[in-house]
Amino acid sequence: GAVVSQHPSRVICKSGTSVKIECRSLDFQATTMFWYRQFPKQSLMLMATSNEGSKATYEQGVEKDKFLINHASLTLSTLTVTSAHPEDSSFYICSARSGPRRTEAFFGQGTRLTVV
Amino acid sequence: AQSVTQPDIHITVSEGASLELRCNYSYGATPYLFWYVQSPGQGLQLLLKYFSGDTLVQGIKGFEAEFKRSQSSFNLRKPSVHWSDAAEYFCSYMDTGRRALTFGSGTRLQVQP
Repeated sequence: GAVVSQHPSRVICKSGTSVKIECRSLDFQATTMFWYRQFPKQSLMLMATSNEGSKATYEQGVEKDKFLINHASLTLSTLTVTSAHPEDSSFYICSARSGPRRTEAFFGQGTRLTVV
Repeated sequence: AQSVTQPDIHITVSEGASLELRCNYSYGATPYLFWYVQSPGQGLQLLLKYFSGDTLVQGIKGFEAEFKRSQSSFNLRKPSVHWSDAAEYFCSYMDTGRRALTFGSGTRLQVQP
């Protein structure tokens, strides 16, 4: 089956610094990638949708200048949390789809971000 | 607004017992519906999906779900639960525009020995 690898699985950073999370599709080309955020004991909330080679589309209420998404290749998307604050601590999960007509998305293992 | 609702936050069943997790959807047309499972600190694994056709869908790990338009439901079932099934289960639907998934609030399944 299709594999999506997310790195790192855990990261701790100091308040005010930036942290980058990578999402890679290992055995397929991902034309679309999605980034989700999950607070403890809560559901996944879509943050943004990115299509390869174009700007990401952010959901309402998500600060695009704070959560920078780059989808420069068909196998890699990155989420950079800039000037992180403790309230940004969360579980971030990416998913990838191999084409516009594809209905199944494959999920990465998630990244636990802790801002201290 | 389009949504999926999972009425049960937490369910506990005994190992070997049957399981049914509820999911209700609110959507004008026939939605694309999914069930995912998430183990602690992990990503999501697709159990099964429904787009059209046969309303009883078979998935992995012995799970099945039945789409009932009259009840706006897509409940997940398993005849005999194993201890390894303890996890968080999410019902979701796909937005046919963006083709992004919207998730229900999740149901945490605990399995007693």
